Amino acid sequence: DVKVTQSSRYLVKRTGEKVFLECVQDMDHENMFWYRQDPGLGLRLIYFSYDVKMKEKGDIPEGYSVSREKKERFSLILESASTNQTSMYLCASSSNTIYFGEGSWLTVV
Amino acid sequence: AQSVTQPDIHITVSEGASLELRCNYSYGATPYLFWYVQSPGQGLQLLLKYFSGDTLVQGIKGFEAEFKRSQSSFNLRKPSVHWSDAAEYFCAVDGLVHGQNFVFGPGTRLSVLP
Repeated sequence: DVKVTQSSRYLVKRTGEKVFLECVQDMDHENMFWYRQDPGLGLRLIYFSYDVKMKEKGDIPEGYSVSREKKERFSLILESASTNQTSMYLCASSSNTIYFGEGSWLTVV
Repeated sequence: AQSVTQPDIHITVSEGASLELRCNYSYGATPYLFWYVQSPGQGLQLLLKYFSGDTLVQGIKGFEAEFKRSQSSFNLRKPSVHWSDAAEYFCAVDGLVHGQNFVFGPGTRLSVLP
């Protein structure tokens, strides 16, 4: 089975803190994604990466950056967390099918 | 641009009743099509997918879906719903560059009455 692992399930951070969300996949997939999910807004793509060190902006990249130094690992970075970034964050990877991690619940206070 | 619509925001069915969740897509060619299920607080789990061939596809948990090209639809069905099926269901399409251009519908929330 495909496994996408998000290292942190629940985080509480203070406004202005730098936040790292880590994601690892074990299927040698080229493509990896970060989404955020908010009630009534569905899944919104933040960034995706189609290769190591490559990234593309999604629909809502503002306030976020990403890092992909190794094929299996894709990190989402909130440079200075704000309360409006409180959300559920979903990492995913794909070949011709997209697979998701369990999600990371981030609360910014 | 590709798009996915799920006309029903919320559906309630009784346990044991049949279920059909609707999904329509907009795409010029034949896309890759998917259904996912999300339980509260969890990620999305793949139920089934269609790439080509037989237009009726079987998935996990007793679900099936039928691709109808003429209607641009990919509806999800289950003959007898269980209380554990209560969840959010997402239809998705992958078009232009396979593996990179996934578009998700807004989701349909399923409630199951005992």
